[in-house]
Amino acid sequence: DIQMTQSPSSLSASVGDRVTITCRASQGISNYLVWYQQKPGKVPKLLIYAASTLQSGVPSRFSGSGSGTDFTLTISSLQPEDVATYYCQKYNSAPLTFGGGTKVEIK
Amino acid sequence: QVQLQQSGPGLVKPSQTLSLTCAISGDSVSTYSAAWNWIRQSPSRGLEWLGRTYYRSKWYNDYAVSVKSRITINPDTSKNQFSLQLNSVTPDDTAVYYCARGNSDFYAMDVWGQGTTVTVSS
Repeated sequence: DIQMTQSPSSLSASVGDRVTITCRASQGISNYLVWYQQKPGKVPKLLIYAASTLQSGVPSRFSGSGSGTDFTLTISSLQPEDVATYYCQKYNSAPLTFGGGTKVEIK
Repeated sequence: QVQLQQSGPGLVKPSQTLSLTCAISGDSVSTYSAAWNWIRQSPSRGLEWLGRTYYRSKWYNDYAVSVKSRITINPDTSKNQFSLQLNSVTPDDTAVYYCARGNSDFYAMDVWGQGTTVTVSS
């Protein structure tokens, strides 16, 4: 099965900083990569699908890129409401494996 | 607006069967445009996809290897819902369980249930 590895596992940044999270697949998955945001105590929320397509209603400071095995989620200007754990997920075929998550905090 | 409402017990004894249901409103369990998933989350495992059911002229299931021998996901077209059964549970199955719609138009889980905390303990 394809493994999904996220890095870093956690990060602390200042409000307004540019934040980058990476997700690597152990085999190529084309652009079948999804990003979710999970705020503390809440249900995961879809942020980006097809590696780079923003879900309706998601602020434009979020963006995604990549194809094949290497993917990136970028927050262009970190806001206090972005404190959350971010997960990637492969969606090309079952099993629909998640990455281990990246916890984002405000410095 | 699609909504998923989960129900089921929050406490299950070891060796018994965990059973949860996810009721769908605003969509159909038989739609060709979605698959219906179960996911769980625990501090030790993070988010773990368990399996899904979907209809494409007939019913299909996919299951995670880690639970394949113990899991059944069934659709119920009469009630427009789907269910999770996990047999022979151990304390390691303690987690928050979520159901979610997998949207086949853009290949992502776009609607999630509220989550059910299930504890396996005697």
